[in-house]
Amino acid sequence: ETGVTQSPTHLIKTRGQQVTLRCSSQSGHNTVSWYQQALGQGPQFIFQYYREEENGRGNFPPRFSGLQFPNYSSELNVNALELDDSALYLCASSPNPGGNTEAFFGQGTRLTVV
Amino acid sequence: AQSVTQLGSHVSVSEGALVLLRCNYSSSVPPYLFWYVQYPNQGLQLLLKYTTGATLVKGINGFEAEFKKSETSFHLTKPSAHMSDAAEYFCAVRASFGNEKLTFGTGTRLTIIP
Repeated sequence: ETGVTQSPTHLIKTRGQQVTLRCSSQSGHNTVSWYQQALGQGPQFIFQYYREEENGRGNFPPRFSGLQFPNYSSELNVNALELDDSALYLCASSPNPGGNTEAFFGQGTRLTVV
Repeated sequence: AQSVTQLGSHVSVSEGALVLLRCNYSSSVPPYLFWYVQYPNQGLQLLLKYTTGATLVKGINGFEAEFKKSETSFHLTKPSAHMSDAAEYFCAVRASFGNEKLTFGTGTRLTIIP
């Protein structure tokens, strides 16, 4: 079975631009969560998608938005990029939301905003 | 709400010595607890998890952790450190009810001294 894959691996954007990050969930997983990991910090929860619906959101502004597709892959969109958005963005998939299920993480997308 | 405190942002141990990484949690409901490892430029890999049952949990690569409810702790240990253990370690908590997110600590960077 394939794991969680994210694209691109690295990205450089200019302040004010928009960016789309992509995530393919592990086979059989219907839940995708996105996390932001700033340098030297632990990952912080952005939002979760379950069966194409947003299923929980962390303390991030509305310019962070997402989608989940029928094949359970997902996108994270960030509008009006700010310098502080520079971080490693991690996608995690799991067989179902919450509980004791393990979240499997991708390798992340390193976003640099200049 | 849940939170995690990892004591010691940097820990150095000699090769062959005991590894002890500390994690204390706060949770308003019974928690599920996780330890993840992150190697440079990589995503997160699950080392072990506590959900219910036995409080001493064994994971991959010789790591184990003990859930101590009275101390609200979930410290990670390994009897004998190996050079390949050098990485960033994150403790995380999730409520056992509902579809709560994973809440991570700020991480502990483990350095192994030859």
